[in-house]
Amino acid sequence: SAVISQKPSRDICQRGTSLTIQCQVDSQVTMMFWYRQQPGQSLTLIATANQGSEATYESGFVIDKFPISRPNLTFSTLTVSNMSPEDSSIYLCSVGSGGWMETQYFGPGTRLLVL
Amino acid sequence: AQSVAQPEDQVNVAEGNPLTVKCTYSVSGNPYLFWYVQYPNRGLQFLLKYITGDNLVKGSYGFEAEFNKSQTSFHLKKPSALVSDSALYFCAVRDGSGAGSYQLTFGKGTKLSVIP
Repeated sequence: SAVISQKPSRDICQRGTSLTIQCQVDSQVTMMFWYRQQPGQSLTLIATANQGSEATYESGFVIDKFPISRPNLTFSTLTVSNMSPEDSSIYLCSVGSGGWMETQYFGPGTRLLVL
Repeated sequence: AQSVAQPEDQVNVAEGNPLTVKCTYSVSGNPYLFWYVQYPNRGLQFLLKYITGDNLVKGSYGFEAEFNKSQTSFHLKKPSALVSDSALYFCAVRDGSGAGSYQLTFGKGTKLSVIP
């Protein structure tokens, strides 16, 4: 499986500011995914990021709030814009592996607290 | 639409005893089923998956899961629990019919506590 790293591992931010989270993979992957895990909750898919095309957002998530970049096959960023305390969550990136992206492997996550 | 139900918020089991963490699913196409484990302050670790083939799948750390199509279930099991198995376990499903969506839908998680 791919080795996935995320930066930062955690951060405390003030409301109204933005934070960019980086996801780096040690091999080239076609598809990368961004998830949110709110406190005590399950994971929710934010968007799917393919290299060379616009990210595809799930219902309830919009590009203005969560812009995503995918400049190459090993890297992606997620920005959480104009943050509010409700954005306090763990943000995880994952990559698909296998012929049909059968299995998703996850990075360690970024723990975000918005004050 | 696809969904996953994990009916137990918490499961307590004595060390050395068998454990079961329950999962039922709903998906319109072929189910791809997964179990992940999350340790405190860690990301999700992949445990095992069912794509096709034998209904009993074996995964990491001695865990196994049984796919039951008629009951739409995919319960996670281990013959002998360890204290180190204490963690949060997530079941997830994906439609494997090739419709183009790779979205994983997760259950709300079950906290497993293994008591020494």
